[in-house]
Amino acid sequence: GQQLNQSPQSMFIQEGEDVSMNCTSSSIFNTWLWYKQDPGEGPVLLIALYKAGELTSNGRLTAQFGITRKDSFLNISASIPSDVGIYFCAGRVRGSSNTGKLIFGQGTTLQVKP
Amino acid sequence: DGGITQSPKYLFRKEGQNVTLSCEQNLNHDAMYWYRQDPGQGLRLIYYSQIVNDFQKGDIAEGYSVSREKKESFPLTVTSAQKNPTAFYLCASSFAGNANTEAFFGQGTRLTVV
Repeated sequence: GQQLNQSPQSMFIQEGEDVSMNCTSSSIFNTWLWYKQDPGEGPVLLIALYKAGELTSNGRLTAQFGITRKDSFLNISASIPSDVGIYFCAGRVRGSSNTGKLIFGQGTTLQVKP
Repeated sequence: DGGITQSPKYLFRKEGQNVTLSCEQNLNHDAMYWYRQDPGQGLRLIYYSQIVNDFQKGDIAEGYSVSREKKESFPLTVTSAQKNPTAFYLCASSFAGNANTEAFFGQGTRLTVV
């Protein structure tokens, strides 16, 4: 099936640093979603992207829908300890007969050192 | 309040027993999904449904069964045929179709088989 390659797999950074993670695919997507998951909880939606080139911010978070429609990135500026968690990208393939199917990346585990 | 609810949060079962996980949403969403998450892993799609009385297999459907008799409910049964059922199970819902839609998750059910 379709796959999303998310990188990096994990990050260990100092509080205050900026963070960047990305997802790429061989398929064209019409939707990119970014989620954060705290331990033992369900993922929470951070940002949704619907148009190629779209750049959207949510507080210290910024995400972009790649122009090729095959990639997306998420940036976190000035990280704080509560940013710790697993970040997932998810996409919906454009024109797929499985129009309700979301595909997830493998996640980026973020640890922030105070 | 609108949302998606999974129950129970923790579930223990003996090996060889079937067990059913509940997922209910009052968001008027058409589509519902079940994902499995293993420690340090991403989300793998088990089953999804875009409309009542219809559902499709995901990437790891073997050993699982679902039903969609009501729009609000999408229970997942983990059968004795599932060889390694201990995992964190996540249910999600969204509006269906090939439109711009966002998926929202429940809090998850941690199933432990002993």
